[in-house]
Amino acid sequence: NAGVTQTPKFRVLKTGQSMTLLCAQDMNHEYMYWYRQDPGMGLRLIHYSVGEGTTAKGEVPDGYNVSRLKKQNFLLGLESAAPSQTSVYFCASSLEGRYEQYFGPGTRLTVT
Amino acid sequence: GQNIDQPTEMTATEGAIVQINCTYQTSGFNGLFWYQQHAGEAPTFLSYNVLDGLEEKGRFSSFLSRSKGYSYLLLKELQMKDSASYLCAVLNTNAGKSTFGDGTTLTVKP
Repeated sequence: NAGVTQTPKFRVLKTGQSMTLLCAQDMNHEYMYWYRQDPGMGLRLIHYSVGEGTTAKGEVPDGYNVSRLKKQNFLLGLESAAPSQTSVYFCASSLEGRYEQYFGPGTRLTVT
Repeated sequence: GQNIDQPTEMTATEGAIVQINCTYQTSGFNGLFWYQQHAGEAPTFLSYNVLDGLEEKGRFSSFLSRSKGYSYLLLKELQMKDSASYLCAVLNTNAGKSTFGDGTTLTVKP
């Protein structure tokens, strides 16, 4: 099992550009999450999904969109990147809400 | 609102015991997780408490007091590889929304 994978691992964007981050899990988990982590800080929830075809907003959803068309994939989109979105993005999945989350290796995004 | 407090940094000696505290004030509570995160890596699960008391798992133990809004992670027989950030996370609802603290960076010295 690969667990949770994320692509790309690194990316540099110019202000105003768009991109999509892909998260995939092979554990048949229902729940998936997107977090951002800024230096010296914990994880802040951007969006999450409790099943295929569903999405919901987390703490910091502005400037991001998500889609969960297939159970194993959760996509995070930035329509118009801003320097404030420079961060490390982690995807995670869990069997159900009350179970531990498994994290992907992260995507390091820099917006100039 | 949600508020989770942890010390920012701690230092301990190899072979010693260290306790990392976490206090929380949240609008909903369905359990508390502890995760370990080495520098430049993803968080990994350590423990989960939903009832009051102590959960022991090898060198690591976690304690919860729901009435006091308090938890701690106890690490025994510290090893150099335990140098990492330790994140406390409160599960707010059964929809899986967790609020994370900012983490405690533990440095283990020889």
